[in-house]
Amino acid sequence: AQTVTQSQPEMSVQEAETVTLSCTYDTSENNYYLFWYKQPPSRQMILVIRQEAYKQQNATENRFSVNFQKAAKSFSLKISDSQLGDTAMYFCAFDRVDSGYALNFGKGTSLLVTP
Amino acid sequence: NAGVTQTPKFRILKIGQSMTLQCAQDMNHNYMYWYRQDPGMGLKLIYYSVGAGITDKGEVPNGYNVSRSTTEDFPLRLELAAPSQTSVYFCASSPGTSQPQHFGDGTRLSIL
Repeated sequence: AQTVTQSQPEMSVQEAETVTLSCTYDTSENNYYLFWYKQPPSRQMILVIRQEAYKQQNATENRFSVNFQKAAKSFSLKISDSQLGDTAMYFCAFDRVDSGYALNFGKGTSLLVTP
Repeated sequence: NAGVTQTPKFRILKIGQSMTLQCAQDMNHNYMYWYRQDPGMGLKLIYYSVGAGITDKGEVPNGYNVSRSTTEDFPLRLELAAPSQTSVYFCASSPGTSQPQHFGDGTRLSIL
């Protein structure tokens, strides 16, 4: 089965600090893409960052970066200089070639940024 | 740009009723998807389409039907609504393989 596991249901971080959200996945594909999506209370799904599995270099997007370990099937998200607006649910996902590149999501991590 | 537009935003149905959730995108994307999100869970794929006239089942298709007569529209039909279909439904579109998906704002559906 192709699955995504996010082992931290809830996390909390103080403003300006750094936090890392963990994600492991299982897929039989060799080429695929990994994603982190953010879902604030407004319920919108917002792309945070994307990683191509065949690229060894970790993706970065401003304050967001990933630690991608392909052999370990691990894809963690690091948020630096956390801001109150980062409070949201964060979902890890990978795309499935056998389903028109639909996304296979984890259950999410609820992140609370406190003043 | 409107992006992906879903209507309605909220709906309450009685058990056994039917309805259609509308989804339209104005980005000329070939790929479109329907997901459902149950409380405390990630999104699960219901149906997807890789182009007009082509649809296929996802992980949780039972109780739903779709059609894709145009590139822009991808409606989701619920027949004989059941309480288990109470959920938030998201439509998404993508320009191609492994490209980021653009999501609509979701439809909150309650079956009572």
